[in-house]
Formats: sequence, structure tokens, C-alpha cells
Amino acid sequence: DAGITQSPRYKITETGRQVTLMCHQTWSHSYMFWYRQDLGHGLRLIYYSAAADITDKGEVPDGYVVSRSKTENFPLTLESATRSQTSVYFCASRVGGGSEAFFGQGTRLTVV
Amino acid sequence: EDQVTQSPEALRLQEGESSSLNCSYTVSGLRGLFWYRQDPGKGPEFLFTLYSAGEEKEKERLKATLTKKESFLHITAPKPEDSATYLCAVGAQKLVFGQGTRLTINP
Repeated sequence: DAGITQSPRYKITETGRQVTLMCHQTWSHSYMFWYRQDLGHGLRLIYYSAAADITDKGEVPDGYVVSRSKTENFPLTLESATRSQTSVYFCASRVGGGSEAFFGQGTRLTVV
Repeated sequence: EDQVTQSPEALRLQEGESSSLNCSYTVSGLRGLFWYRQDPGKGPEFLFTLYSAGEEKEKERLKATLTKKESFLHITAPKPEDSATYLCAVGAQKLVFGQGTRLTINP
């Protein structure tokens, strides 16, 4: 299916475990983004990527790792999950710097 | 650094009662101001892009306008199905969002 998809949709993990959230887009968009959304904080940028093999930090990068070996994939890894990382995570992509972004359906992550 | 502030945080209207949402921004060079709608449990859905002061875009009961410092989302004669959180964003590299306005339209 065309578009941007995230997996899994829901995930429960234990404190200290490593977990990877997946994001895949079929448009060959250059830019990809990871946001977290929490009550009272809106959408906060974790990491973004302007092209394959180019990534940069956003507002809240601590505790997260990203990679982008292929244009279409942008996985987000929590190396050692903490309860404060319980959140809804959204992936997005855009063609270029001045264009609109399109979002995935989100991953609800609970760290217990 | 790019910044976006939206007001009010929440707004309740009666069906048919028109109003406006505000998005104030500071950027080093505007490469587009973006409006999104977000329904509960879903990802943000793109509505409009505005590129220069004086530009306006319309879609059904929504009209977005842009000045050099802020953007407004005008909602004319809203219906209950317009209830959602409305977000605005700026940024050529990093796409930075405001905290959103939670709009509720009562029948």
C-alpha cells in the first residue's frame, strides 16, 4: 500500500529493554521525522533525516537512536527503555524542505 | 531557532458559531507554514500550506491566512465534525509544531 506505515501500532515493554519502532514510506520522500506526543507537550521532534545516511537531532533526542540506511525506512530505537518514554510516537515524511509532511498512524508505547 | 505558539489551548463553540485560531511564529526564513488537523488516536492530517504574507487558502468551512508574524485558521459556521485538535508548524529542515488548539463544536 502506498503511504507511510508504522509498526507496531501498540507495544508494551519493560524498563531497560531495547525496543525498535519501525517506519516505512513508499513515496521516496527525502525527509523523515520521528515525533513523540504527550499530553501538555504537543508534538516534539526526536530526530529527523534529510536523506539516506543523514540524520540530526531534534528537541528531545536523549535515549533514542535512529538510522537511515535506505530512503524508505527510518527506524527509531530506544536502547534502554524508561517509563518516561511512554508516549505516542509518530513518524512523518516530506518531499523536501518546503513541503508538507505526511504522518503515519502512530505507535502507542508503554514502558512498565 | 524556529518557534511556534498557538492560542487558545482549547476552544468550545456552538454549532454555527464562527471563530479563529491563532498561530504565532518566529523563523529565520519562512519556507512554508503548515496547518494540520488531528483526530483522537490518529496521526495529524495535512490541511494547508501558506508561503507568503497575504496568502489565503480555503477548504470547506476553514480558511487559513498568513501575515509576517502569525497565521489564523478561521472556522465559519462550524459543525460537530469539525471538532479536533488543530496544529500549525514551520521549518525548512526541522518541522516544528505548536502545541495545538483543541476545538470542540457542540451541537
